[in-house]
Amino acid sequence: DGGITQSPKYLFRKEGQNVTLSCEQNLNHDAMYWYRQDPGQGLRLIYYSQIVNDFQKGDIAEGYSVSREKKESFPLTVTSAQKNPTAFYLCASSMRLEAFFGQGTRLTVV
Amino acid sequence: SQQGEEDPQALSIQEGENATMNCSYKTSINNLQWYRQNSGRGLVHLILIRSNEREKHSGRLRVTLDTSKKSSSLLITASRAADTASYFCATDDTDKLIFGTGTRLQVFP
Repeated sequence: DGGITQSPKYLFRKEGQNVTLSCEQNLNHDAMYWYRQDPGQGLRLIYYSQIVNDFQKGDIAEGYSVSREKKESFPLTVTSAQKNPTAFYLCASSMRLEAFFGQGTRLTVV
Repeated sequence: SQQGEEDPQALSIQEGENATMNCSYKTSINNLQWYRQNSGRGLVHLILIRSNEREKHSGRLRVTLDTSKKSSSLLITASRAADTASYFCATDDTDKLIFGTGTRLQVFP
């Protein structure tokens, strides 16, 4: 089945720790995106990548890092510098227009 | 720079009624899309309207676009309880998709 997979579905992090959220797609899409969603809010763009080995900061990139070593993969690392990381994280990919989303990772700082 | 702002923020209706939600955006666009999100899930693409189109239909969905007012509306006709979800508009900003704040729709049986 073609699609976009995020893992894990739930993630707990202690303060001061870095954590990495996985995003994999087998849709052969060039573009991939990471969004953050807070309760009852819209989506805010963290990072995006249009091609392998290239990515750009979105509106709220501080405290996050990404890599794009393979077309299929776009992992997001939430670093200890992110002061309020508890949120729902959504990964998406697109070829030209329509975006396809994963099911999200809910990150909680404990 | 959140591009789109939806209103209302929340909407509650009875099954069978129509639901209308609006989206306003700030800059010129090539196209505008509407997405649906069930609680705690990813977003699903519903419909895309290009900047040179004024209206588009897909099943019970009707989307309008007014580029002079930088606004779009999504109409869901004959709503069902299963339409309960959040709805977001999204616009293309150069090489990325920017989403609005969303409308939470509750349809009561």
